[in-house]
Amino acid sequence: GENVEQHPSTLSVQEGDSAVIKCTYSDSASNYFPWYKQELGKGPQLIIDIRSNVGEKKDQRIAVTLNKTAKHFSLHITETQPEDSAVYFCAASKRSGGSNYKLTFGKGTL
Amino acid sequence: DAGVTQSPTHLIKTRGQQVTLRCSPKSGHDTVSWYQQALGQGPQFIFQYYEEEERQRGNFPDRFSGHQYPNYSSELNVNALLLGDSALYLCASSLVDRGSYGYTFGSGTRLTVV
Repeated sequence: GENVEQHPSTLSVQEGDSAVIKCTYSDSASNYFPWYKQELGKGPQLIIDIRSNVGEKKDQRIAVTLNKTAKHFSLHITETQPEDSAVYFCAASKRSGGSNYKLTFGKGTL
Repeated sequence: DAGVTQSPTHLIKTRGQQVTLRCSPKSGHDTVSWYQQALGQGPQFIFQYYEEEERQRGNFPDRFSGHQYPNYSSELNVNALLLGDSALYLCASSLVDRGSYGYTFGSGTRLTVV
């Protein structure tokens, strides 16, 4: 089955600096890659996602890049703010048309 | 628009007991997935229900079972609880639709087995 590795496990940045979290996946058939933010006592919240037909996607201060050949994808947060402090999870999935799909998560970055 | 609702929020059970966790999906969603999140780990897929049937299952023993009702709400049952079953149990809803992506997660049920 799919295996997702996530690095680093912890990350500390100064306010205003950029943060980068990297993930690799094992199943070349995976085609959907969401990122989730989990705050203390809450469930994961989708912050951005990317499909395999796209190399990069941006949403304000957040961006995700995907390298299908290397099977890795990254989350970039610019101009970090205190409210960005949380646990971030990457995930991978094989999504096929109008079908059910499951997510395989990385271990998270605090 | 209500998101995913899970109950109870916290639960303490004794080893060997049985537990039932409940989930109401986000309005408009028709699929419910359950995940187990151990402390300091990412969520692990337990199973998924659509049209009242289990459609996919992760690597969890038969002690874990579920149900989906006609109104799309769902239950997760765990029998013969072990200490290792202590975790945050997350329910996520989604929509089986070609153009729909993304799960919506609830806040979870924190299960402690003593």
